[in-house]
Amino acid sequence: RKEVEQDPGPFNVPEGATVAFNCTYSNSASQSFFWYRQDCRKEPKLLMSVYSSGNEDGRFTAQLNRASQYISLLIRDSKLSDSATYLCVVKGGTGANNLFFGTGTRLTVIP
Amino acid sequence: EADIYQTPRYLVIGTGKKITLECSQTMGHDKMYWYQQDPGMELHLIHYSYGVNSTEKGDLSSESTVSRIRTEHFPLTLESARPSHTSQYLCASSELGGDGYTFGSGTRLTVV
Repeated sequence: RKEVEQDPGPFNVPEGATVAFNCTYSNSASQSFFWYRQDCRKEPKLLMSVYSSGNEDGRFTAQLNRASQYISLLIRDSKLSDSATYLCVVKGGTGANNLFFGTGTRLTVIP
Repeated sequence: EADIYQTPRYLVIGTGKKITLECSQTMGHDKMYWYQQDPGMELHLIHYSYGVNSTEKGDLSSESTVSRIRTEHFPLTLESARPSHTSQYLCASSELGGDGYTFGSGTRLTVV
C-alpha cells in the first residue's frame, strides 16, 4: 500500500468554480502534512502546511482529519493560473527519509 | 530569485558516460536531498544528507552516488549512465528541524 494516495484526476473545471482534492495517508504516526503545487516540467513549491485545526490562505483551505487519515484542499473561485498538479505530502517521524509524496492531482481551469 | 540551483537544466548523454549533476544552495540549510521523478509519477527520495560528510541512501535504490564536502554543495554522480537512468532529478534543502523543503528547478536527464 502506498504511503500517500491521491486521485490523479484530471480535474477540468470552469473559471470561478470551487474544487476539492482529497488525499489519504497510511501511517497513523505521521506528524506533518503539506500541499505542494507543481507546474508542468517545474519543481514542486510549497503551497501550504496543513494543521489539525484547519487553515486558510486566501482562496485555499486545507483540512486534516487524523481519525480518517485524510487531508483535503479546497480551492474557491478558481483562476486560470491555478492550473497545475497538486501534491499531497506527508511527513512521518524524525528521520530525513520520511517525506512522502503523492502522485499528485492534476487540475485544469478552463476559461 | 532561486536560492537553490541545479545544473545542467537539461542533459542528453550517451550510454556509459560518467555524469555529475550539480546542486548548490545559498540558504545555509543543513539538510539536502535528491529526488527522482518520472513523468506523471510521484517523487522518490534517492539520497539525503544531514550536513557536511553525511550522506545516506533514500527509499528508492539508485546506482548514483553523492558527496557533501561543503554545506552548500550536494552533487550527484552516475559513473556509467544507462537508458534506465533517464528521469528528472530534483535537489531540495531544508533547515535542520524544519518541515518546508525548497526545491531546485531540476535536471532532466536523457540517456541514449
